Amino acid sequence: GDSVTQMEGPVTLSEEAFLTINCTYTATGYPSLFWYVQYPGEGLQLLLKATKADDKGSNKGFEATYRKETTSFHLEKGSVQVSDSAVYFCALSSTGGGNKLTFGTGTQLKVEL
Amino acid sequence: DTGVSQDPRHKITKRGQNVTFRCDPISEHNRLYWYRQTLGQGPEFLTYFQNEAQLEKSRLLSDRFSAERPKGSFSTLEIQRTEQGDSAMYLCASSGSGLVETQYFGPGTRLLVL
Repeated sequence: GDSVTQMEGPVTLSEEAFLTINCTYTATGYPSLFWYVQYPGEGLQLLLKATKADDKGSNKGFEATYRKETTSFHLEKGSVQVSDSAVYFCALSSTGGGNKLTFGTGTQLKVEL
Repeated sequence: DTGVSQDPRHKITKRGQNVTFRCDPISEHNRLYWYRQTLGQGPEFLTYFQNEAQLEKSRLLSDRFSAERPKGSFSTLEIQRTEQGDSAMYLCASSGSGLVETQYFGPGTRLLVL
């Protein structure tokens, strides 16, 4: 079945540091890939998505590229801020099956001054 | 657009009791999803509806769980004879029905079974 593997957290960075959160997936067919973010006390929000191979999703300075050859969708940001502290979830939805999402376990990011 | 809303936000119950949660999706969305999230884990799919039809149920959804969406608008998730293992955050999401649609999540209902 479909699955998503994320690097474990927590990840602690200083403000303005470079961020990478690794995500790899296993799926049949050609899934769409997502990053969701959960800020403290808030619900899940879509951060970015990519729907086909080599697509790059981007939002709020975050980027991720859909790499079919390595089945990866790593999240990157060049300069993190304290306000980026949150839990980040990588997810996929396969074609068919009503686009239900399969999530990774989440990676907590803490950004310190 | 008021977003996806869920009620209640928190529920504490005793083992063996029944509980019901409600989800109101974004009004123009015809797909509605339920997920369960336990501490330190990502959300896990439970079931989804297209309009009023329940089209898929996860094996996680035991016989004690039932979900309805009677008029294709709001949905309810009922858990009968709750167990301590049911303690979790129950999330609702809605989307359109295109090939690739973004799911918009509600704030969740946190259930604690004592």
